[in-house]
Amino acid sequence: AQSVAQPEDQVNVAEGNPLTVKCTYSVSGNPYLFWYVQYPNRGLQFLLKYITGDNLVKGSYGFEAEFNKSQTSFHLKKPSALVSDSALYFCAVRPFNQAGTALIFGKGTTLSVSS
Amino acid sequence: DGGITQSPKYLFRKEGQNVTLSCEQNLNHDAMYWYRQDPGQGLRLIYYSQIVNDFQKGDIAEGYSVSREKKESFPLTVTSAQKNPTAFYLCASSISYTEAFFGQGTRLTVV
Repeated sequence: AQSVAQPEDQVNVAEGNPLTVKCTYSVSGNPYLFWYVQYPNRGLQFLLKYITGDNLVKGSYGFEAEFNKSQTSFHLKKPSALVSDSALYFCAVRPFNQAGTALIFGKGTTLSVSS
Repeated sequence: DGGITQSPKYLFRKEGQNVTLSCEQNLNHDAMYWYRQDPGQGLRLIYYSQIVNDFQKGDIAEGYSVSREKKESFPLTVTSAQKNPTAFYLCASSISYTEAFFGQGTRLTVV
């Protein structure tokens, strides 16, 4: 079965410190990978995606993610966290060879940045 | 102002009632999706549609129905057969392989 795992329900980090939110996936074929952020009672906002090419992808608000095919991972990173980064983060995957499929989401990780 | 519009933002349903959630997009996207969000469970796919007049069931389609008569519109009906409908419902659209764009959601509560 195709799936996405976010092993941490919550990540706590101090403002100014680097942050990592973990994501691993299991799909057949090559994946398209995505990160989204959600603020309370709002829809999801797209942060970044990996389609092909450079394994390090840069996105919105200073976030980046590293694709690791051998470890089937796509961890979200930011060099210096802000209090305003506190939110719910979702990793998602779409199998490359299946155009007619929807995104498969992980269960989400709550990021809490303290001042 | 382009994007995806969901309405209403809050919706209350009585036991045994059917209710319809609206989703409209002006992004000219072919694909549209409905997800349900419950605390700690992430987003679960209810239905999706790749083209007009065609749609497929997702993982939790029981108790829900959809239609896709126009490219811009993908309404979701929560029927009385859905025994636990209280949740946050999210509509999204995309172009084929790319990222999906989401509306602001509808919070449905059974009263």
